[in-house]
Amino acid sequence: DAKTTQPPSMDCAEGRAANLPCNHSTISGNEYVYWYRQIHSQGPQYIIHGLKNNETNEMASLIITEDRKSSTLILPHATLRDTAVYYCIVRVAPQGAQKLVFGQGTRLTINP
Amino acid sequence: GAVVSQHPSWVICKSGTSVKIECRSLDFQATTMFWYRQFPKQSLMLMATSNEGSKATYEQGVEKDKFLINHASLTLSTLTVTSAHPEDSSFYICSASEVRPPYNEQFFGPGTRLTVL
Repeated sequence: DAKTTQPPSMDCAEGRAANLPCNHSTISGNEYVYWYRQIHSQGPQYIIHGLKNNETNEMASLIITEDRKSSTLILPHATLRDTAVYYCIVRVAPQGAQKLVFGQGTRLTINP
Repeated sequence: GAVVSQHPSWVICKSGTSVKIECRSLDFQATTMFWYRQFPKQSLMLMATSNEGSKATYEQGVEKDKFLINHASLTLSTLTVTSAHPEDSSFYICSASEVRPPYNEQFFGPGTRLTVL
């Protein structure tokens, strides 16, 4: 699976959009971009994933650049409960279960 | 959505004892479950992949005789930390993969915090 690079930490004001970048310059054509987050002392939570088109769900939006070498997770109206570590992971579409390799992630702090 | 539970949520034990942690998929069948370990302020590290009805596959550096994994049914996997020592104190997290083509997603349990005295 391709390696990802994320900033170690970010701050965002409550109510504003939080934009979390991820670089994955070695991504292969059959690899998807997945985002998970981990709130303190809990298990990771799936947020969103995409291949090359932008994706949106009730939690967030995922913007993938045309060359697919980077992406941005957008939390449109951040709340204090969005404070967590956010992990960007690239992996092939599962053909059978495949392990997830977690990097260090971005520690996002939402400030009141 | 799919729910994965872990039991216990926390456990404190004496050095030298064994501790069993259960991981259950509550509303789906999981042919594969994964066990992770997380030390304070660090990321999740995969320990092993557990397949129902077969032996687990351990990541490099993980002692299979110390961390015993049993995946006896499609909804239950157990991790037993044998002869636990203080350095085994950590946050143990399991995930279960639902067989739902084309995306066999993973759902994570809430974690078990193990403290070895």
